[in-house]
Amino acid sequence: DAGVIQSPRHEVTEMGQEVTLRCKPISGHNSLFWYRQTMMRGLELLIYFNNNVPIDDSGMPEDRFSAKMPNASFSTLKIQPSEPRDSAVYFCASSLLRYTEAFFGQGTRLTVV
Amino acid sequence: GESVGLHLPTLSVQEGDNSIINCAYSNSASDYFIWYKQESGKGPQFIIDIRSNMDKRQGQRVTVLLNKTVKHLSLQIAATQPGDSAVYFCAERQAGGGNKLTFGTGTQLKVEL
Repeated sequence: DAGVIQSPRHEVTEMGQEVTLRCKPISGHNSLFWYRQTMMRGLELLIYFNNNVPIDDSGMPEDRFSAKMPNASFSTLKIQPSEPRDSAVYFCASSLLRYTEAFFGQGTRLTVV
Repeated sequence: GESVGLHLPTLSVQEGDNSIINCAYSNSASDYFIWYKQESGKGPQFIIDIRSNMDKRQGQRVTVLLNKTVKHLSLQIAATQPGDSAVYFCAERQAGGGNKLTFGTGTQLKVEL
């Protein structure tokens, strides 16, 4: 398996624009996580899904953020409208069972100017 | 002006020495713990995990110790190598919390030649 695949790797956008980050989890994994990493706040869990269903979205900062998982092999994290303070590295991770580790993608570095 | 970010603890060790990285976790209900390594520009990478019914687990050159009494986790790296230089995170998963994985702030390990 190629691991967790995220796209794009880098995204530069202007304030106010919509941004969509994409993630393909490892085949067969049933949990998917979206994290955000910044110097100020470290690695924060935004939302996670079990079997394509959102379980905990308490980490989603504002209504501008939304995440979907239409099927077991694809998830998106959308920011609309984007703001400069959304600039960060966004990671997607997936895991198979409760007592197994989460595998991370390479991340998407988002810069909002 | 200069932005203020998280102050990552830094551990500097000589090549060949043993390293010990510590982590205090927050929730006594957590029942599964993972150590991750993150190199610059990459996503966190699994190193070793331990369940709460254990107090020690060994891998290749790494050992994780768990002290539930004081909610403390440590990672020991034997014969530290330059390739071990990275930021190390501990992560905890709460019993009854689904698959929610919460990360600590991290420790920067620097290996000096």
